[in-house]
Amino acid sequence: AQSVAQPEDQVNVAEGNPLTVKCTYSVSGNPYLFWYVQYPNRGLQFLLKYITGDNLVKGSYGFEAEFNKSQTSFHLKKPSALVSDSALYFCAVRDIKYNQGGKLIFGQGTELSVKP
Amino acid sequence: DTAVSQTPKYLVTQMGNDKSIKCEQNLGHDTMYWYKQDSKKFLKIMFSYNNKELIINETVPNRFSPKSPDKAHLNLHINSLELGDSAVYFCASSPTPTGPTYGYTFGSGTRLTVV
Repeated sequence: AQSVAQPEDQVNVAEGNPLTVKCTYSVSGNPYLFWYVQYPNRGLQFLLKYITGDNLVKGSYGFEAEFNKSQTSFHLKKPSALVSDSALYFCAVRDIKYNQGGKLIFGQGTELSVKP
Repeated sequence: DTAVSQTPKYLVTQMGNDKSIKCEQNLGHDTMYWYKQDSKKFLKIMFSYNNKELIINETVPNRFSPKSPDKAHLNLHINSLELGDSAVYFCASSPTPTGPTYGYTFGSGTRLTVV
């Protein structure tokens, strides 16, 4: 079965410092990987995705993620964190069964806190 | 201009009641979903419909019944509400059920509190 894991419940970063939110995956077949962000009392917003091609994927709000097949990881990164980046981040994998439709399977989420 | 809209945003009700949550998308997507986010923020899929047809039905109590009158709408009806049903319920849509390149567009959620 497809799955993703986010090993850190919380990540604390000082504003201006680089940030990394970790995600590892376990899939059979090609991995289709996504990052979403959830601000308080809001729905999930799409940040970026890896389907194929370049291992470094650029997304919204200055975020990027690096796909590493050998380490089965898809870590989310940003060179310089902002206080406004503070939110809950979810890694997800698209699980496709062609006779059942696809679904996004989410990791448990990582709370990012950026302090001034 | 809201892409995926859910109503109501907040719902407080007593145990044993029956309630419905509505969802509409104006993106022209074929596929819609219901997800439940529990108190630990964990997200789990409940149902998926593709063009009014149920295609995913996870292990969910049969007190939960989705209904899709057309491909732009997916409603969730819950009978005999229990305390454990308290959660945030998210509706989402995607262009196709299996296209791997597509993520989802989420609604803003319905916070259900059962007292």
